[in-house]
Amino acid sequence: NAGVTQTPKFQVLKTGQSMTLQCAQDMNHNSMYWYRQDPGMGLRLIYYSASEGTTDKGEVPNGYNVSRLNKREFSLRLESAAPSQTSVYFCASSDNRVSPQHFGDGTRLSIL
Amino acid sequence: AQTVTQSQPEMSVQEAETVTLSCTYDTSESDYYLFWYKQPPSRQMILVIRQEAYKQQNATENRFSVNFQKAAKSFSLKISDSQLGDAAMYFCAGDGGSQGNLIFGKGTKLSVKP
Repeated sequence: NAGVTQTPKFQVLKTGQSMTLQCAQDMNHNSMYWYRQDPGMGLRLIYYSASEGTTDKGEVPNGYNVSRLNKREFSLRLESAAPSQTSVYFCASSDNRVSPQHFGDGTRLSIL
Repeated sequence: AQTVTQSQPEMSVQEAETVTLSCTYDTSESDYYLFWYKQPPSRQMILVIRQEAYKQQNATENRFSVNFQKAAKSFSLKISDSQLGDAAMYFCAGDGGSQGNLIFGKGTKLSVKP
Protein backbone atom coordinates (compact mmCIF):
# COMPACT_ATOMS: atom_id res chain seq x y z
CA ASN A 1 0.00 0.00 0.00
CA ALA A 2 1.53 3.29 -1.12
CA GLY A 3 -0.59 5.60 1.07
CA VAL A 4 0.63 9.17 0.64
CA THR A 5 3.52 9.67 -1.75
CA GLN A 6 5.56 12.85 -1.88
CA THR A 7 8.16 13.84 -4.41
CA PRO A 8 10.92 14.83 -4.26
CA LYS A 9 12.36 13.72 -0.90
CA PHE A 10 15.15 16.28 -0.96
CA GLN A 11 15.67 19.50 -2.88
CA VAL A 12 18.09 22.41 -2.78
CA LEU A 13 17.06 25.68 -4.40
CA LYS A 14 18.56 29.09 -4.85
CA THR A 15 16.70 32.15 -3.65
CA GLY A 16 14.18 33.24 -6.26
CA GLN A 17 13.83 29.87 -7.94
CA SER A 18 10.45 28.20 -8.21
CA MET A 19 9.42 24.61 -7.73
CA THR A 20 6.44 22.38 -7.15
CA LEU A 21 6.16 19.70 -4.52
CA GLN A 22 3.99 16.81 -5.60
CA CYS A 23 1.68 14.74 -3.42
CA ALA A 24 -0.59 11.85 -4.30
CA GLN A 25 -2.73 9.53 -2.20
CA ASP A 26 -4.32 6.26 -3.22
CA MET A 27 -6.86 5.91 -0.40
CA ASN A 28 -9.69 7.82 -2.05
CA HIS A 29 -9.57 10.45 0.68
CA ASN A 30 -11.44 13.70 0.27
CA SER A 31 -9.22 15.88 2.45
CA MET A 32 -5.59 16.69 1.77
CA TYR A 33 -3.15 18.98 3.59
CA TRP A 34 0.25 20.61 3.30
CA TYR A 35 2.26 21.30 6.45
CA ARG A 36 5.72 22.58 7.18
CA GLN A 37 7.89 21.56 10.12
CA ASP A 38 10.70 23.76 11.33
CA PRO A 39 13.41 22.59 13.77
CA GLY A 40 12.17 21.98 17.30
CA MET A 41 8.56 22.62 16.37
CA GLY A 42 5.43 20.79 15.46
CA LEU A 43 3.72 21.11 12.13
CA ARG A 44 2.04 24.25 10.83
CA LEU A 45 -0.68 24.13 8.23
CA ILE A 46 0.05 25.88 4.94
CA TYR A 47 -3.02 24.97 2.87
CA TYR A 48 -5.66 22.32 2.87
CA SER A 49 -8.26 20.97 0.48
CA ALA A 50 -11.51 19.59 1.84
CA SER A 51 -12.49 18.10 -1.49
CA GLU A 52 -11.58 18.07 -5.14
CA GLY A 53 -11.77 21.57 -6.55
CA THR A 54 -11.54 23.41 -3.23
CA THR A 55 -8.57 24.84 -1.36
CA ASP A 56 -8.26 27.01 1.75
CA LYS A 57 -5.47 28.84 3.51
CA GLY A 58 -4.01 27.54 6.72
CA GLU A 59 -1.85 29.22 9.31
CA VAL A 60 1.16 30.08 7.11
CA PRO A 61 0.06 30.40 3.44
CA ASN A 62 2.20 33.36 2.36
CA GLY A 63 4.65 32.53 -0.41
CA TYR A 64 2.83 29.35 -1.44
CA ASN A 65 0.17 28.29 -3.89
CA VAL A 66 -1.62 24.97 -4.19
CA SER A 67 -3.56 23.01 -6.75
CA ARG A 68 -5.96 20.17 -6.13
CA LEU A 69 -5.59 18.65 -9.55
CA ASN A 70 -7.98 15.78 -8.87
CA LYS A 71 -9.00 13.70 -5.92
CA ARG A 72 -5.64 11.95 -5.75
CA GLU A 73 -3.21 14.84 -6.19
CA PHE A 74 -2.48 18.01 -4.24
CA SER A 75 0.57 20.04 -5.23
CA LEU A 76 2.36 22.86 -3.42
CA ARG A 77 4.19 25.54 -5.38
CA LEU A 78 6.83 28.01 -4.29
CA GLU A 79 6.85 30.77 -6.89
CA SER A 80 9.93 32.60 -5.64
CA ALA A 81 11.75 30.64 -2.97
CA ALA A 82 13.13 32.44 0.07
CA PRO A 83 15.54 31.18 2.76
CA SER A 84 12.70 31.42 5.30
CA GLN A 85 10.98 28.62 3.42
CA THR A 86 13.74 26.18 4.27
CA SER A 87 11.83 23.46 6.08
CA VAL A 88 10.52 19.93 5.94
CA TYR A 89 7.21 19.75 4.11
CA PHE A 90 4.60 17.12 4.79
CA CYS A 91 1.57 16.22 2.76
CA ALA A 92 -1.28 14.41 4.48
CA SER A 93 -4.74 13.08 3.76
CA SER A 94 -7.81 11.98 5.64
CA ASP A 95 -11.29 10.65 5.05
CA ASN A 96 -12.79 13.07 7.54
CA ARG A 97 -12.88 16.79 8.08
CA VAL A 98 -11.21 16.71 11.45
CA SER A 99 -7.63 15.62 11.27
CA PRO A 100 -4.90 14.40 8.95
CA GLN A 101 -4.61 10.63 9.28
CA HIS A 102 -1.93 9.59 6.84
CA PHE A 103 1.25 11.49 6.15
CA GLY A 104 3.83 11.28 3.43
CA ASP A 105 7.49 10.82 4.26
CA GLY A 106 8.22 14.52 3.91
CA THR A 107 10.31 16.68 1.60
CA ARG A 108 13.41 18.30 3.01
CA LEU A 109 13.76 21.62 1.21
CA SER A 110 16.79 23.90 1.57
CA ILE A 111 16.90 27.35 0.05
CA LEU A 112 20.25 29.05 -0.22
CA ALA B 1 -6.27 31.72 20.40
CA GLN B 2 -5.48 28.14 21.15
CA THR B 3 -2.25 27.10 22.80
CA VAL B 4 -0.71 23.68 23.27
CA THR B 5 2.01 23.20 25.85
CA GLN B 6 4.23 20.20 26.31
CA SER B 7 6.41 20.87 29.33
CA GLN B 8 8.63 17.80 29.06
CA PRO B 9 11.24 18.21 26.30
CA GLU B 10 12.60 14.72 26.98
CA MET B 11 11.44 11.61 28.78
CA SER B 12 12.93 8.20 29.32
CA VAL B 13 11.34 4.87 30.15
CA GLN B 14 12.56 1.34 30.72
CA GLU B 15 11.35 -1.26 28.25
CA ALA B 16 8.09 -2.90 29.43
CA GLU B 17 7.39 -0.06 31.88
CA THR B 18 4.70 2.62 31.68
CA VAL B 19 5.30 6.27 30.87
CA THR B 20 3.02 9.29 30.81
CA LEU B 21 3.58 12.30 28.56
CA SER B 22 1.94 15.57 29.58
CA CYS B 23 0.12 18.16 27.52
CA THR B 24 -2.09 21.13 28.29
CA TYR B 25 -4.48 22.67 25.78
CA ASP B 26 -6.06 26.03 26.23
CA THR B 27 -9.00 27.05 24.05
CA SER B 28 -12.18 29.06 24.21
CA GLU B 29 -13.97 26.50 22.05
CA SER B 30 -16.49 24.21 23.75
CA ASP B 31 -16.14 21.39 21.28
CA TYR B 32 -12.82 20.36 19.84
CA TYR B 33 -10.51 17.45 19.15
CA LEU B 34 -7.16 16.60 20.65
CA PHE B 35 -4.51 14.36 19.16
CA TRP B 36 -1.22 12.68 19.87
CA TYR B 37 1.16 12.13 16.97
CA LYS B 38 4.33 10.09 16.93
CA GLN B 39 7.33 11.02 14.81
CA PRO B 40 10.07 8.35 14.81
CA PRO B 41 13.57 9.03 13.47
CA SER B 42 12.27 8.09 10.04
CA ARG B 43 10.46 11.44 10.28
CA GLN B 44 7.04 10.19 9.23
CA MET B 45 4.15 11.53 11.29
CA ILE B 46 1.85 8.87 12.70
CA LEU B 47 -1.52 9.53 14.32
CA VAL B 48 -1.49 7.67 17.62
CA ILE B 49 -4.79 8.57 19.24
CA ARG B 50 -7.62 11.07 19.04
CA GLN B 51 -9.95 12.42 21.73
CA GLU B 52 -13.20 14.29 21.20
CA ALA B 53 -13.68 16.90 23.90
CA TYR B 54 -17.37 16.28 24.33
CA LYS B 55 -16.82 12.61 25.08
CA GLN B 56 -16.27 11.83 28.75
CA GLN B 57 -14.71 8.48 28.04
CA ASN B 58 -10.96 8.55 27.53
CA ALA B 59 -9.73 7.19 24.23
CA THR B 60 -7.68 3.99 24.09
CA GLU B 61 -5.72 2.39 21.27
CA ASN B 62 -4.02 -0.83 22.32
CA ARG B 63 -1.12 0.17 24.61
CA PHE B 64 -1.85 3.88 24.24
CA SER B 65 -4.45 5.68 26.29
CA VAL B 66 -5.21 9.26 27.21
CA ASN B 67 -6.27 10.94 30.41
CA PHE B 68 -8.36 13.91 29.38
CA GLN B 69 -9.26 16.33 32.15
CA LYS B 70 -11.30 19.01 30.42
CA ALA B 71 -11.60 21.42 33.32
CA ALA B 72 -7.88 21.21 34.03
CA LYS B 73 -7.10 21.50 30.30
CA SER B 74 -4.92 18.44 30.63
CA PHE B 75 -4.45 15.79 27.94
CA SER B 76 -1.81 13.24 28.85
CA LEU B 77 -0.72 10.16 26.92
CA LYS B 78 0.01 6.93 28.72
CA ILE B 79 2.10 4.28 27.02
CA SER B 80 1.92 0.89 28.69
CA ASP B 81 4.39 -1.95 28.25
CA SER B 82 6.82 0.36 26.44
CA GLN B 83 8.66 -1.11 23.49
CA LEU B 84 11.87 -0.06 21.77
CA GLY B 85 9.82 0.95 18.76
CA ASP B 86 8.01 3.54 20.85
CA ALA B 87 11.12 5.71 20.90
CA ALA B 88 10.20 8.87 19.01
CA MET B 89 9.12 12.49 19.26
CA TYR B 90 5.55 12.76 20.48
CA PHE B 91 3.49 15.78 19.57
CA CYS B 92 0.27 16.83 21.23
CA ALA B 93 -2.09 18.80 19.00
CA GLY B 94 -5.49 20.43 19.16
CA ASP B 95 -7.71 21.55 16.36
CA GLY B 96 -7.52 25.26 15.80
CA GLY B 97 -11.19 25.77 15.08
CA SER B 98 -10.91 25.13 11.36
CA GLN B 99 -10.27 22.01 9.39
CA GLY B 100 -6.77 20.65 9.48
CA ASN B 101 -5.45 23.71 11.27
CA LEU B 102 -3.96 21.75 14.11
CA ILE B 103 -2.02 23.62 16.76
CA PHE B 104 0.99 21.57 17.78
CA GLY B 105 3.04 21.52 20.93
CA LYS B 106 6.82 21.54 20.67
CA GLY B 107 7.08 17.83 21.30
CA THR B 108 8.50 15.39 23.83
CA LYS B 109 11.39 13.17 22.87
CA LEU B 110 10.84 9.72 24.35
CA SER B 111 13.73 7.31 24.79
CA VAL B 112 13.18 3.65 25.61
CA LYS B 113 15.96 1.84 27.45
CA PRO B 114 16.40 -1.91 26.91
